[in-house]
Amino acid sequence: EVQLVESGGGLVQPGGSLRLSCAASGFTFGTYWMTWVRQAPGKGLEWVANIKQDESEKYYGDSVRGRFTVSRDNAQNSLFLQMNSLRDEDTAIYYCARDTGKYCTDYWGQGTLVTVSS
Amino acid sequence: QSALTQPASVSGSPGQSITISCTGTSSDVGGYNYVSWYQQHPGKAPKLMIYEVSNRPSGVSNRFSGSKSGNTASLTISGLQAEDEADYYCYSYRSGRPASFVFGTGTRVTAL
Repeated sequence: EVQLVESGGGLVQPGGSLRLSCAASGFTFGTYWMTWVRQAPGKGLEWVANIKQDESEKYYGDSVRGRFTVSRDNAQNSLFLQMNSLRDEDTAIYYCARDTGKYCTDYWGQGTLVTVSS
Repeated sequence: QSALTQPASVSGSPGQSITISCTGTSSDVGGYNYVSWYQQHPGKAPKLMIYEVSNRPSGVSNRFSGSKSGNTASLTISGLQAEDEADYYCYSYRSGRPASFVFGTGTRVTAL
């Protein structure tokens, strides 16, 4: 059974940093692109970033480029999102998701809540 | 990054068919067959319903179908059921330097 479990969310002050993790199981993690998506409270979905199997390609949304870094450890079946210079508007549930290879995602985690507030 | 445009809400009676539109540009929806649709119930993670414009993943009801014309993609739900009440989002690849992905603004579906 495919499982994705995010962790690392919490309360952080504006300007602070946080590192999210996503533990994958039930599939060969190293053969899939992976994606981060977020959802602010009561708002819609926003694509954040994705990463190729060997980390040779990484793409970011305009609102996070230069502040967030996506990475992965295929040996540990883990995906990461390093978030720096956090802003109030980064407050959201952050989901990790597996890319199908057809420009969409098929399995999602339950999400981890990040709250940026002083 | 501007989101794809969807109606805020669509409603229908049980058993009816409804259609949700998703309007983009030639750089995303109109330029590629990489449009997908997600269903999200309150408090839950999104679920893939349609990929590559009109393909259904295994396990998704055939009451859900997708299509595209020009820069607008559509999701049709036939025989609307109470369990279909949810938020629906389109999603598309967007070309550019760099390339990216973009969601639609989301549509709340209500079964009256």
